[in-house]
Amino acid sequence: ETGVTQTPRHLVMGMTNKKSLKCEQHLGHNAMYWYKQSAKKPLELMFVYNFKEQTENNSVPSRFSPECPNSSHLFLHLHTLQPEDSALYLCASSQDEYPGTSGYEQYFGPGTRLTVT
Amino acid sequence: AQSVAQPEDQVNVAEGNPLTVKCTYSVSGNPYLFWYVQYPNRGLQFLLKYITGDNLVKGSYGFEAEFNKSQTSFHLKKPSALVSDSALYFCAVRGTNSGGYQKVTFGTGTKLQVIP
Repeated sequence: ETGVTQTPRHLVMGMTNKKSLKCEQHLGHNAMYWYKQSAKKPLELMFVYNFKEQTENNSVPSRFSPECPNSSHLFLHLHTLQPEDSALYLCASSQDEYPGTSGYEQYFGPGTRLTVT
Repeated sequence: AQSVAQPEDQVNVAEGNPLTVKCTYSVSGNPYLFWYVQYPNRGLQFLLKYITGDNLVKGSYGFEAEFNKSQTSFHLKKPSALVSDSALYFCAVRGTNSGGYQKVTFGTGTKLQVIP
């Protein structure tokens, strides 16, 4: 295992539901990330947090709302999603995140397979 | 804007034969380059990275990659493929232009199929 856990592993939700994805890292890292992985498309970076501060919001729709209460936990709150939001959502962590200079690799969780009906 | 190209959607290789998974990149400044592997129903797993120094980088599970600045390539290689190497492989790049935020950019992935 990579030291990054994600719950739930699978989630089916209707377009009017509200749900949250949870990520926890046990590696002592200071940076955490949310990615969206869809079939036949590159991995899409959604959000970056460094020392609990959001440093990147990659033009993500407001129906996705991240929360990082501390360096070990990251949430993705979901509401009024669309069917095209169905994908694998991956959480990752790394040592830290300094713009343009961080060469640290990322450690990924197993992902949450989200299906929006 | 930085980019990564993995020109092959799938690579098939016989078990025991050498394998190569190709990656080329475009980035401002010097690149940080990474390879990750993804097994079914799992997240990405770090294999190796190039930051500076030796152009040949060795990583996990016998994999290595060669950084070629003139060809802007970072191909992943292994001398002898195993069936258990069958997975999805991602190349990633990050620029080192300290003038602004440089996120990591991933390629679209190459599926490696090792045939027994």
